[in-house]
Amino acid sequence: GEDVEQSLFLSVREGDSSVINCTYTDSSSTYLYWYKQEPGAGLQLLTYIFSNMDMKQDQRLTVLLNKKDKHLSLRIADTQTGDSAIYFCAESVQTGANNLFFGTGTRLTVIP
Amino acid sequence: SAVISQKPSRDICQRGTSLTIQCQVDSQVTMMFWYRQQPGQSLTLIATANQGSEATYESGFVIDKFPISRPNLTFSTLTVSNMSPEDSSIYLCSTRQGNQPQHFGDGTRLSIL
Repeated sequence: GEDVEQSLFLSVREGDSSVINCTYTDSSSTYLYWYKQEPGAGLQLLTYIFSNMDMKQDQRLTVLLNKKDKHLSLRIADTQTGDSAIYFCAESVQTGANNLFFGTGTRLTVIP
Repeated sequence: SAVISQKPSRDICQRGTSLTIQCQVDSQVTMMFWYRQQPGQSLTLIATANQGSEATYESGFVIDKFPISRPNLTFSTLTVSNMSPEDSSIYLCSTRQGNQPQHFGDGTRLSIL
């Protein structure tokens, strides 16, 4: 079955860049997603990338995909205290799949 | 993207009781899903809520414990039946329209005493 792994914790200083990493096992992944969960809230879709892309940039967010190594990363430039949250990587293994397979989540703490 | 509202946002319940969680979407959506997030854990899909027919449950989840309704394209309910402390979790509704990404509600935080 699908296995999506992330490191559990990351701490960065305000103003620095954050890089959150994710590895997955299913080579048939079609889309990969990053969701953000703030305390007491649901999941907010941050960005997503199609598997035939290497990179996607959206303002402070940069997603890099290494399909050969099945490695996905999310870089947050100029990290702010409001970026403190849990970040989930998720994959879907076919277009329009009824299911997302989520990673364990990385808790990002931004130190003022 | 659709605006998804869940009620209640949180509740504290006695063991052995049941709670029905509502998910309302402000536009018609093709797919609706229910997830569980146990404390400190990731999300696990409970079932796909099918409009006008029985929900499709994932392995480890059964209709008697988690009955689901979806009477139309904008509304679904999840009932957590005969609750025990192990059911203490966040329950999240999500929607997907066509091939677009899934979007989530704010979740229902459930504690069972």
